This record gives sequence, structure tokens and C-alpha cells, in this order.
Amino acid sequence: QVQLLQSGAEVKKPGSSIKVSCESSGDTFNTFSTSGLNWVRQAPGQGLEWVGGIVPFSGTTDYAHKFQGRVTISADESTSTAYMELSGLKSEDTAMYYCARVVGATTSSVLDIWGQGTMVTVSS
Amino acid sequence: EIVMTQSPAALSVSPGDRATLSCRASHSIGSNLAWYQQKPGQAPRLLIYFASTRATGVPARFSGSGSGTEFTLTISSLQSDDFATYYCQQYNTLIAFGQGTRLDIK
Repeated sequence: QVQLLQSGAEVKKPGSSIKVSCESSGDTFNTFSTSGLNWVRQAPGQGLEWVGGIVPFSGTTDYAHKFQGRVTISADESTSTAYMELSGLKSEDTAMYYCARVVGATTSSVLDIWGQGTMVTVSS
Repeated sequence: EIVMTQSPAALSVSPGDRATLSCRASHSIGSNLAWYQQKPGQAPRLLIYFASTRATGVPARFSGSGSGTEFTLTISSLQSDDFATYYCQQYNTLIAFGQGTRLDIK
């Protein structure tokens, strides 16, 4: 069955950028390309916050208004890997970042499979 | 932008009792609503989609209802494994989550 494996925890300086990866494995029917892939973050002790998403086969991306201009989501179909790059990091970006598979070829749908999360800490 | 509001923020319930969690959307979202369960240190888990359809493997004690702007997640006969935080999520227009309801053991 499909699993999403994310890259490891990172510590970054304010003002820098980070790129987190999310690799899909066990995808017998190659749903990676035809499903959406979203990124959701969760600050320590806080709720879930949608960052944005991509539909790999079309390259269509959607971003939450709050992150537009600062986030870039991309995907490499050849390796079934999606990426989220966040620039201009601030301490408020300290959070667990999750990738999640979207049901259907869209970014606006149900999130049925989640990665294990990548902890990003922004500190000077 | 659609804003999702959950109530209450926290709820204390005894094992075996029923829990009712509410979620309100700032604009009508039809039935495009999902519920997730999250336990400490774990990723969220999909419970309900299209407001009332249980995801694969979700016990029948979990049920969802509602449409438009008002939604409810009901957990009948709470088990020890059900004490967690629950989030609603609309997917009618992009995606937005509610702030969560923490379900505690009374």
C-alpha cells in the first residue's frame, strides 16, 4: 500500500530557505501522478494549517493566501517525489510539516494518506 | 476564504458515553467536509469524508452528519482509543481546517 516518506528534521536560521521532500512508495497503480499532493503544517501545540498542494501530472499548484510568494511546491514524477520549499523563514515557521495524498486529481479534496512529518525549527 | 470553526475547543467525556463535536463553515460548502483524528506524536488519520462517509477501517461508532454550514461528528460509546484531537476540514474551495476539538477522558 501507498506510503509517504518525508525527509528528516532540519534546523534553519531566520531568513533562510528550506526544501522538504515527500516520496511515495508502494504505489502499484502509480496514483502519484494522478492524485494531488498537499502540504499541511502544525506549529507546536497548535492546529493544522494548509500550506498548498500540487497535481503532479498537470503541474497545477494551489497555495494558501498566507504563503503565496514564499512557498513553492513541485513534483518529480520520475521519482514519485514531491517537494515544498519555503523561503524567508521566520521563527513562526517552526512546525511539523506533513505531506498528504489527495483523493482525485485536485488539491481540494480529502487527504487520505499522510507522511510521518518533518520537523522544521527556525532559530538563530 | 472559508473559515471553519469547531466547538467546543475541549470536551471531557467518560468512556462508554457519547461525544458530539461541532463544526461550522463561514460559507456553504455542500457536503465537502472531512473529519480527522490526531493522537499526540502522530499524523492525522482520515475518519469521515463527504460529511458522512466513513473511511476504510473506521469503526461504526463514528458517524458524521450535516450539510451546508453546520456539521457534526458523533462518537457513540467512547473507547479509550478515541481520546484524541479531532479536526474538520472543508474542501469545497481550496482547503481549510477547523482549530480542533480535544477529547479528554472524564
